[in-house]
This record gives sequence, C-alpha cells and structure tokens, in this order.
Amino acid sequence: KAGVTQTPRYLIKTRGQQVTLSCSPISGHRSVSWYQQTPGQGLQFLFEYFSETQRNKGNFPGRFSGRQFSNSRSEMNVSTLELGDSALYLCASSASTGANVLTFGAGSRLTVL
Amino acid sequence: AQRVTQPEKLLSVFKGAPVELKCNYSYSGSPELFWYVQYSRQRLQLLLRHISRESIKGFTADLNKGETSFHLKKPFAQEEDSAMYYCALSWSSNTGKLIFGQGTTLQVKP
Repeated sequence: KAGVTQTPRYLIKTRGQQVTLSCSPISGHRSVSWYQQTPGQGLQFLFEYFSETQRNKGNFPGRFSGRQFSNSRSEMNVSTLELGDSALYLCASSASTGANVLTFGAGSRLTVL
Repeated sequence: AQRVTQPEKLLSVFKGAPVELKCNYSYSGSPELFWYVQYSRQRLQLLLRHISRESIKGFTADLNKGETSFHLKKPFAQEEDSAMYYCALSWSSNTGKLIFGQGTTLQVKP
C-alpha cells in the first residue's frame, strides 16, 4: 500500500510569492490534515479536509488555504509568502473511522528568502 | 485551551537503562493520547495510543487522568530507540486535528 505522497519535497521561494503544495493520501483515506513544523513552534495544525470539505481549521492567517479533490488528494496554498513561513509542511491522512490516527508524509520543505 | 507539555527537550541515557519520557496535558474532557516517533531520516509515525493499551517496541504508556499525564516508558533502552518523540492529544476520533507537544529527543548511548 503506497504511503502518503507529498510534492514537491523541497522548494525555495521569495517573499511575496505564493506556493502550492500537494498531498496524495493513502488509498481509501478520506481525511487529510496539514501541519506546519518549525524548530520554534513545533508541530502546529493548519487544517483538515474530509470529503472535499474543510472540517477543522487551525490558528493561521487567511494567507494559508487548502482544498481537497474528489479523489481525496489535497493541496494547500500560501499566498504573499513571509520569511516566517519557512517550515516543513506535513500532510497526514487517516481513515474515516479513527480519523485521529494519522499517517504522515515525508513533508515539503519550504524556504522563503 | 488544550495544551501538551513535554518538559524535557533532550533525554540522554545509556543502553540498558530505563527510559521515561514525560508528557502532561491540559484538557477538561476525555482526551485520546498518542505518542508519535520520528527516527533519523524517517517520517513521523505513530508509536502507540492510549486506548490500544499495547506495548510497541517495548514501550508502554499509561493515561493518568488524575495527574493529566501520559508518560512513555521502556525498562531497557536500546540504541535503536534514539529518536524524537512527540506526545499528542486529540479530543475526538472524528478529527485529524491533534495538539502536539514540543518533542523530546531521546539519545541512547552505547
């Protein structure tokens, strides 16, 4: 069974640009959650999508957005990038029952210059 | 507000010594608690969850509601246990939203 796939794995952007990250969940998993990981703040929840609907949202500004497609693949977008957005962005998928048992992807490391 | 605290950033022990990674939480309801582990160059992965009440790789964790703790224990540490360990809290099985602690690096010396 293929794991959670995130693309791209690494990317470098400059301030003011926008970025889109992609996540393909484990086959059959309908819940996709996104987390930001930084050395200072640790792992922080961004949002969760289930059946193409945002089910939960963390405490991040509106520049951070996401969506989920009918095949459960998810994308997150960050607009008007700031230096502080440099982080590892982790996607996790989970089954419909036991949605809090997360399987994580390898992450997308974003560097903002 | 819900909060998970792991008081130790780094825990260093010798091989064969007992290990206890501390985790305290604040939540007024009935949480579900997890331990996730990240080995070097590997993905973050679930180690164990309190409702399973199982031992994984020799590790156990007991939820103590009175002390609001979920400490991770292993009687005899192995070098391959060296990793970053995260304690996490969920208030519902119907959401992928977890609150993570800051993590503890476990270093097992030969």
